[in-house]
Amino acid sequence: DAKTTQPNSMESNEEEPVHLPCNHSTISGTDYIHWYRQLPSQGPEYVIHGLTSNVNNRMASLAIAEDRKSSTLILHRATLRDAAVYYCILRYQGAQKLVFGQGTRLTINP
Amino acid sequence: DVKVTQSSRYLVKRTGEKVFLECVQDMDHENMFWYRQDPGLGLRLIYFSYDVKMKEKGDIPEGYSVSREKKERFSLILESASTNQTSMYLCASSLDGTGLSPRWGYTFGSGTRLTVV
Repeated sequence: DAKTTQPNSMESNEEEPVHLPCNHSTISGTDYIHWYRQLPSQGPEYVIHGLTSNVNNRMASLAIAEDRKSSTLILHRATLRDAAVYYCILRYQGAQKLVFGQGTRLTINP
Repeated sequence: DVKVTQSSRYLVKRTGEKVFLECVQDMDHENMFWYRQDPGLGLRLIYFSYDVKMKEKGDIPEGYSVSREKKERFSLILESASTNQTSMYLCASSLDGTGLSPRWGYTFGSGTRLTVV
């Protein structure tokens, strides 16, 4: 399985944008990039996914580098409710399971 | 919205007991999964099922079994609970049963925190 590398922790302030990086230098052409987040005492929650192009949804934006070896999850205006562990995961065609790494623990300061 | 419901939020069981953790999803998803989550170890896959009566071992199946008699329900069974099975257990479901559509995401339940004493 292709691996991802994320910082262990990040900190930001409320109402400011947050850029969460993810490196995946061994990504293959059919790997989708998925992001999940896990709020305290909850199960993980799907955030966004993409293959090659940048993606936007109501929760976040996903910016994918042209060579696909890295990506960035963007929270445009962080709130206290965005404090969570964020996981960047590669899902390849044929994979029936998600493999979670350690993720990035995001702290939001009021 | 898809919902994955786990029957208990907190559970305390005694060593040696047979424990059933139940999970139900309401959107006709093909795939269902059981993970456990422990501090420092992250989420680890125990078992998954891609169809009724079908099951596949995950990364840590020892000490567990599963049952999927109906599409919407996936049960995790601890045959003889031990203290090292104290953990947060998370159930998930996904539309894609073959892995051929990796664009599909997972929906997780809120988890069952099991304590074995």
